Parts: sequence; structure tokens; C-alpha cells
Amino acid sequence: DTGVSQDPRHKITKRGQNVTFRCDPISEHNRLYWYRQTLGQGPEFLTYFQNEAQLEKSRLLSDRFSAERPKGSFSTLEIQRTEQGDSAMYLCASSSPGTTYEQYFGPGTRLTVT
Amino acid sequence: LAKTTQPISMDSYEGQEVNITCSHNNIATNDYITWYQQFPSQGPRFIIQGYKTKVTNEVASLFIPADRKSSTLSLPRVSLSDTAVYYCLVGARMYSGGGADGLTFGKGTHLIIQP
Repeated sequence: DTGVSQDPRHKITKRGQNVTFRCDPISEHNRLYWYRQTLGQGPEFLTYFQNEAQLEKSRLLSDRFSAERPKGSFSTLEIQRTEQGDSAMYLCASSSPGTTYEQYFGPGTRLTVT
Repeated sequence: LAKTTQPISMDSYEGQEVNITCSHNNIATNDYITWYQQFPSQGPRFIIQGYKTKVTNEVASLFIPADRKSSTLSLPRVSLSDTAVYYCLVGARMYSGGGADGLTFGKGTHLIIQP
């Protein structure tokens, strides 16, 4: 199966620490998206890439969050100086050209900040 | 930005047809309507997308009236495994110039199927 993969699946960290998540999209997909989801809420858009270019960031994405997709393949999402409010499921999705809303999601990385 | 409104929850029984309606009164001309399904501890899964009239695939049907101010996701003969949260999204495709505003999932509809 060559679906979207995310690593790690779970991460527990202490407040103030930095964390980095990785997403490997479906190989032929040139668009990659990051979302955050908290309990009882739908996924919240964070940012999206087309190839290696980061084309849009949510206004909700603070300066502590940064995402990269250096070679247009995998992507990383880093959170600096984590806060308890960052505890959530971080979802990655990818899509092929022309199918913005037909996204394929990974299993997510669950972050717990203690 | 076309905001969507869905029921918070719905109940039904195995073998029934379930219809979930989404309201999007401010839908724009370029906007498409997309539905996703999400099980606990999993990422959402694309179900169906449409622009107008009716779209059908092997999983569901999507009915969109002429004014496009609402849409209805129809799940035929549901089973227990259809218990999930269903999200309605409205937005323009990015390659058509639409931004990421349409990637707003909201709280969705929690569908519970009983035996």
C-alpha cells in the first residue's frame, strides 16, 4: 500500500520542547496539506504545498510552527517551544493536480504536551 | 467563504437509507461541494464531490438542487461500519484560483448506526 504515511504516530513531549513530524505523501501527488484536529472538532487547515512551494498558511498558524517540503516529496512540520494547547492530532494529506478536495489523509501524529 | 451548516448528529438503523443535508447559503459560482467520512483515530476519507444536480459513486450519492444552497449526501442501506463523522466542505478548486478557505471541515455530522 503506498498511501500517505506519517511518523511518529504518537509523540509525548514536555512544554517548551521542540517537536518535528514527518509526512510522506502518495508519490505522484504534488500537493501536500497539514491539518490539526482536536477532540470533537473537524480538521483545521494549517498550510499547503504545491511541489516544494508553500503556497498558503492559515492565519491561525503561529510563528512557532514551520513546515517544509524541500524536494517536493516528503514534508516536515516543526513546532517550537511547545505549549499544552498544541496537544492535538496532526494530519497530513496529499492530492494530485486538479483535485484539491479529493485528498488522501495519513493516519496522523498524536501530540501530547505535558 | 461559503460557510456550511450540518446537523451535529443523526441516528439510523442498519439497512436504512441515510440522508445528511448540508446548508451553504453563500456558495460561490466556482465552489464545489465535497464530503468526507472520518472514523475515530483515522484521517478523513474522501467520499464524493459534485458541482450541481446528482453525482453517484459506489459509496454514496450527492444531490444538489438548482440553487446550490444546500446538498444532501445519501448513503444507501447503511451498516454498523458506516458509523462515523461526515463532513461537508465547500470551496473552489485551488487550480482555478481558489485559496485554502474551502478547506474548512467544521464539526461535521456524527452518524450513529444501530443494529
